[in-house]
Amino acid sequence: NAGVTQTPKFRILKIGQSMTLQCAQDMNHNYMYWYRQDPGMGLKLIYYSVGAGITDKGEVPNGYNVSRSTTEDFPLRLELAAPSQTSVYFCASSYSRTGGDEQYFGPGTRLTVT
Amino acid sequence: AQSVTQPDIHITVSEGASLELRCNYSYGATPYLFWYVQSPGQGLQLLLKYFSGDTLVQGIKGFEAEFKRSQSSFNLRKPSVHWSDAAEYFCAVGESGYSTLTFGKGTMLLVSP
Repeated sequence: NAGVTQTPKFRILKIGQSMTLQCAQDMNHNYMYWYRQDPGMGLKLIYYSVGAGITDKGEVPNGYNVSRSTTEDFPLRLELAAPSQTSVYFCASSYSRTGGDEQYFGPGTRLTVT
Repeated sequence: AQSVTQPDIHITVSEGASLELRCNYSYGATPYLFWYVQSPGQGLQLLLKYFSGDTLVQGIKGFEAEFKRSQSSFNLRKPSVHWSDAAEYFCAVGESGYSTLTFGKGTMLLVSP
């Protein structure tokens, strides 16, 4: 199993550009998550999904969009990149919604917006 | 709403010395508690988790954590630190019936020779 994979690893965007961060998991997990990590701030939940076709906002959803057309994939879309979106983005997945299930993390995408 | 506090931003420990990283949570019922580790440039890896039962939980890499309800704490410990333990450590809390986690801001562990 590859686990959770993310592409790209690094990306530099200009202000106003758009991009999609890709995330895929091969563990047949229903639940998937997008976090952003800023220095000294821990991880903030952007969006999450409880299954194909179902998504919900997390703590910091503004400026982002997601879709979940399959169980395996959960892409994160930035429509009009802003410097405030410079961050490291992590995708994660878990098996169920008991609240006690381990979340498995991808290696992250480091995004810089200039 | 649940919250997690990690009071120490940075901790420096000598190699071979013991380690304790603090975590306090705010949650009304019995929480699900986790410790994750993040090595530089990597994603997060689960060290251990607490759901119920024995309040002393053993994890990977020789780590353990103790749940103390009276103090709302879930501190991470290791008897003897190795240089490879240098990383950032995150405490997280989950809630029964919900899949999302709330993370603390992290504690950076530096290991001196």
